[in-house]
Amino acid sequence: DTGVSQNPRHKITKRGQNVTFRCDPISEHNRLYWYRQTLGQGPEFLTYFQNEAQLEKSRLLSDRFSAERPKGSFSTLEIQRTEQGDSAMYLCASRRPGAGNTIYFGEGSWLTVV
Amino acid sequence: AQSVTQLDSHVSVSEGTPVLLRCNYSSSYSPSLFWYVQHPNKGLQLLLKYTSAATLVKGINGFEAEFKKSETSFHLTKPSAHMSDAAEYFCVVSDDGKAAGNKLTFGGGTRVLVKP
Repeated sequence: DTGVSQNPRHKITKRGQNVTFRCDPISEHNRLYWYRQTLGQGPEFLTYFQNEAQLEKSRLLSDRFSAERPKGSFSTLEIQRTEQGDSAMYLCASRRPGAGNTIYFGEGSWLTVV
Repeated sequence: AQSVTQLDSHVSVSEGTPVLLRCNYSSSYSPSLFWYVQHPNKGLQLLLKYTSAATLVKGINGFEAEFKKSETSFHLTKPSAHMSDAAEYFCVVSDDGKAAGNKLTFGGGTRVLVKP
């Protein structure tokens, strides 16, 4: 499969615990994006990388959230001290640079904080 | 800054009848525009995209959309709805200015219900 891969697909955690999601983008896509989608809403931008550099972070990304892409390939999104409001689907996407190039999405990682 | 407004949160059609999903956008630059579909518990699938070429764009599964700059609209249509078209549809704008990172801004979504 050459699509964007996300793991785990589902995660249930207790409030206050830390969780980490992983994204493997399409090979040679040097841009990688994280989005969050809550029930009944469209995805909201969280952050994006060009290679290993994190170029922009949304103000939605509180201090409890951190994202990395250490070697410019896969990326991780960590949420510390989870809260019930963090329950959402976290989507990863990748694309080649250039105007109009398609962004390809993974199937998402569902987080439920209980 | 860029934004997208999907004018209908829900659309209900009968199988075999036309579908129209309305979308208006604003963008500081010449935008790229996309329609994505999301089936329940699934990721986002690209239906079609506009990137400053032909204003009438044809996509997968019989969908098409027309870019109208004067109206800042990018409405999605399909002549005959199928039961499998029941899903959530998102209109998306990509700000292709150099500083923008080509990140996508999503509309709020339109849920399509297809009645037999």
